[in-house]
Amino acid sequence: EVQLVESGGGLVQPGGSLRLSCAASGVTLSNLWMSWIRQVPGKGLEWVANIKEDGSEKYYGDSVKGRFTVSRDNAKNSLYLQMNSLRAEDTAVYYCGRREFWGQGTQVTVSS
Amino acid sequence: DIQMTQSPSTLSASVGDRVIITCRASQSVSYWLAWYQVKPGKAPKVLIHKASVLQSGVPSRFSGSGSGTEFTLTISSLQPDDFATYYCQQYSNYAVYTFAQGTKLDI
Repeated sequence: EVQLVESGGGLVQPGGSLRLSCAASGVTLSNLWMSWIRQVPGKGLEWVANIKEDGSEKYYGDSVKGRFTVSRDNAKNSLYLQMNSLRAEDTAVYYCGRREFWGQGTQVTVSS
Repeated sequence: DIQMTQSPSTLSASVGDRVIITCRASQSVSYWLAWYQVKPGKAPKVLIHKASVLQSGVPSRFSGSGSGTEFTLTISSLQPDDFATYYCQQYSNYAVYTFAQGTKLDI
């Protein structure tokens, strides 16, 4: 059974940083493009970032470009999202995964 | 960037109804279109990928059609478990994915 477990979310002040982690089991991430998406409370889904199997290509949504960095460690079967210069509008539940499977999400709250 | 638009934004229906949700892309995405079901506190669940391919384990009352810029999700006979929010997503290019704003399906 495929399982993705996100961690690292929490409460952070505007301008602060957080690093989200996503640990996978039941699937080998090294063969897969992976994504981060988010859902703002009461609002829709938003694509955040994509990363190629070997990490050589990375793409970001316009709202996070220049502030967020996606990375991966295939040896640890894990995915990461470094989030800097956080804003109130980044408050959301963040999910790692790809079309066929997603984690249960981790809550990020940006507030003073 | 490709913009995705869904209609309607909200939909009231009853158990047993046939429901159709429409998704339009601002430019062609070929058949690179997925439909998700989202329930509060749960991870998104893919229903359809490549516009019309039913994800393994998803009930056959769900179906998808379309290509290019116009797509539909049909639920042939609504069940109580189907009341949720539905999103389409284009994934025609790894450089940018886009979700539509969603359709809330309620009783």
